[in-house]
This record gives sequence, C-alpha cells and structure tokens, in this order.
Amino acid sequence: DQQVKQNSPSLSVQEGRISILNCDYTNSMFDYFLWYKKYPAEGPTFLISISSIKDKNEDGRFTVFLNKSAKHLSLHIVPSQPGDSAVYFCAASEGGSEKLVFGKGTKLTVNP
Amino acid sequence: DTGVSQDPRHKITKRGQNVTFRCDPISEHNRLYWYRQTLGQGPEFLTYFQNEAQLEKSRLLSDRFSAERPKGSFSTLEIQRTEQGDSAMYLCASSRFMGGQPWNTEAFFGQGTRLTVV
Repeated sequence: DQQVKQNSPSLSVQEGRISILNCDYTNSMFDYFLWYKKYPAEGPTFLISISSIKDKNEDGRFTVFLNKSAKHLSLHIVPSQPGDSAVYFCAASEGGSEKLVFGKGTKLTVNP
Repeated sequence: DTGVSQDPRHKITKRGQNVTFRCDPISEHNRLYWYRQTLGQGPEFLTYFQNEAQLEKSRLLSDRFSAERPKGSFSTLEIQRTEQGDSAMYLCASSRFMGGQPWNTEAFFGQGTRLTVV
C-alpha cells in the first residue's frame, strides 16, 4: 500500500524550461512534505519542504506547491539546468512521527 | 564536519552470515535514522534514535535486525543470519532536534552501505 505515489518514473526537459514533478499521497494525516534529490552513488539530499499550513514554499529556482484537498504536491524547477538531472523523491510525515514515507522517485533529465 | 559518514560503502556476504554497518552522524545532530532502499523503490524507514534512545522501529525491522547508538554519537546496524532479501542499500541520516518544533526538521543522509547477500 503506497501512501506516497510518484506516478511518473521519468521526465525529460530542455535546459531553461520548467520542470514539474508531481506527487500524490493517500494519508490525510500527513502534515509535512519534503523533496529530496539523489545523484547516483550518493545519498538523498534535502531540497525543499512545506508544512500543511502553507500552500506554497519557494527557495530560489525551486517551488513546492501543496493542494491538500487533492492530496497532491508538485515541485517546480525554473529554469531547469543540466545539473538538476537526478532522481527526485517526494516524502511525507505525520505530526509527531519522525518516520518519512517516500515515493518511488522520478528521474529527471535536463537536456542541454 | 564532512556530513554523515557510513562504513563500509559496500559489503558482499554469504547467506547466513552476520553483518554490521556503522554510521557517524553530523556532530551536533541528536537524531539518527536508518532507512533501507531496494532497487526501484524509495527509502523505507527502519528505526530512529534521539541521543542513545531508540524511539521508533518499523515492522520491517525483524528480530534479525538490531540497531544501537550506545553513547548518542555513532550507530551500528547489525543483521544476523542474512538472507538474499536483505540485499539493499542501507542509508543512515541525522538531524538536529531543538525541541518545541511543530514539525520534523530535514534529515541529512549519508552515502549508504550497499549490501549484497549471495
């Protein structure tokens, strides 16, 4: 039973364009959401997070949007750069728990 | 401080053998986590410590698995009587919890230990 779903295994975009990575969740108790980026042979690296009291959080080229009614969040990268090519994981947690529940990841390729 | 360090990076073992992995967290971080990641999946939570206390364990952590953090610094994860299904990347992460925070702080991951059971 996958509580966090990333339905697109891969995404390819041109350098300079927008990358949109999507994530859906089923557990309505989740109240904190994070995005991690992972390069091959490295551990995941924290990118950006959002709490359930917000619907948008921005950090430089990265913006995360949260739609609680749809149980959906998305990560926007603008403009995309070749160095952004990596696997992106969406993760979520319930209040009071340190356990992060991860999706399966989306492999982003940014073409020069 | 160079971040979360895990040792070894790779381990090949025969089925039925015991293995132990070590994790050194970022020095000022009081929380330490273990995750497991298999091919094509996201990381799955195994357990976490606050200082030396093990506060949460996943049902994935069978009785063949044991984790310790004896002095609240480094941690070890031992797998006894390894099985082929234990083959995975074992990830350690750490974070700094300062109390009074309403939500989890982001965890910083190490590079992982890749276990292959043959």
